[in-house]
Parts: sequence; C-alpha cells; structure tokens
Amino acid sequence: DIQMTQSPSSLSASVGDRVTITCRASQSISSYLNWYQQKPGEAPKLLIYAASNLQSGVPSRFSGSGSGTDFTLTISSLQPEDLATYYCQQSYGTSFTFGPGTKVDIK
Amino acid sequence: QVQLVQSGAEVKKPGASVKVSCKASGYTFTNYDIIWVRQAPGQGLEWMGWISDYNANTNYAQRLQGRVTMTTDTSTSTAHMELTSLRSDDTAVYYCARVSHGSGGNNWFDPWGQGTLVTVSS
Repeated sequence: DIQMTQSPSSLSASVGDRVTITCRASQSISSYLNWYQQKPGEAPKLLIYAASNLQSGVPSRFSGSGSGTDFTLTISSLQPEDLATYYCQQSYGTSFTFGPGTKVDIK
Repeated sequence: QVQLVQSGAEVKKPGASVKVSCKASGYTFTNYDIIWVRQAPGQGLEWMGWISDYNANTNYAQRLQGRVTMTTDTSTSTAHMELTSLRSDDTAVYYCARVSHGSGGNNWFDPWGQGTLVTVSS
C-alpha cells in the first residue's frame, strides 16, 4: 500500500499568517491527491481535489499544489474558523490511504 | 441538496456484529460509489473500503478482509456497512462518503455523512 506522511503534525499560527502543510507519498501518485478539513466534532470536508482544484464553496485562501510524491496545502491568510485538522488522501490504485493529519491551532 | 444521513450510535459487546446505514438523497444513487472511513477516538482517518452503486462491486482494506461487508439497496438509496467479530479497537466513528471520479482517474470523497459512533465494550 502507498504510505502518506504529513508535516508538521501540528502548528500554531496567528490570524493573517500564511500556513503551509506538506504531504508526501511513498511512491509517485501523479496528481491523485486530495485535501480534507476536519473541524472538532465534525465530519471531514473536501477542500482540494486532484492536487490543485478548489472544491466549490471553499474560500480562495486555500490552495494546493504538487505532483508525483510531494504536495502542499497553503492557507494564504489564516482565519479563526480554520482551526481544524487537515488530512491528505491519495487515490492512486485501488486502496485509498490518508495522511496522519496536521492539527492547526490559532495563537 | 446532496446529503448522506447515517444511522444512530451503537453499543456492542466484543464478538458481536454491527450494521451501519447511510441514506443518500439529492442525487442519482446509482451514479456514484460509496466509501466507508472510520476514525478511532483521537486518531486519524482509516479507509475501510468502497462499493460501486452501479454493480455492487466491492474493494475492502486488506486489514478488514473477512470481517467487513458493504452492500447497497438501490430501492431506498441506502448503503450499509456490516462489521463482524467486533473488538475493543473497532470503537470508532464510522463515516460514509460519496465518491466522485475525475477524468484522469483521481477519486475524491464529498459529501460525508455525519458519522456513527460504534462503541465496543463488555
């Protein structure tokens, strides 16, 4: 199975800061990479699909990039409502694994 | 709007089985696959498997093979996930989600059900 790693595992940033989360796959997955946001006590929500496509209704401060094995999720200006855990997910092949998550706190 | 509504919380004893349902509305059920994901308390997301709403083909995570069964009932637009021989480490919130397929082969999950807490305890 393809293994996914994320860094950092957690971060604390101030409102207005630029935040970058990295996701790495154990083998090339082309652009078969999606990002989800999970707020405390809620179900996950799709943010980005196919590495760089913003899901409808998601604020434009979220963006994704990358291909192959290395991907990034960027929040251009952190907002209080962005407090959440962010997961990457690969869909290359027949088994779809998630990264371990990155918890984002607001200073 | 597109919505997935799951059945309520369950408490089961070790060795028992549990069946969680996921009722879809707002779209043509047979046009999209369904995946199941679980999340143990304080942990990350674990993909469990998926089922094709078109032909009911399934693909299960290897570590759950033999204990998990996913089915659909197209007459009620409902997907079901049954897990047998429950253990304490099966305690988790179980989610269903609709699968979308990109033209290049990518698959993503949206929307998600609200989650069903399954507690396994003697």
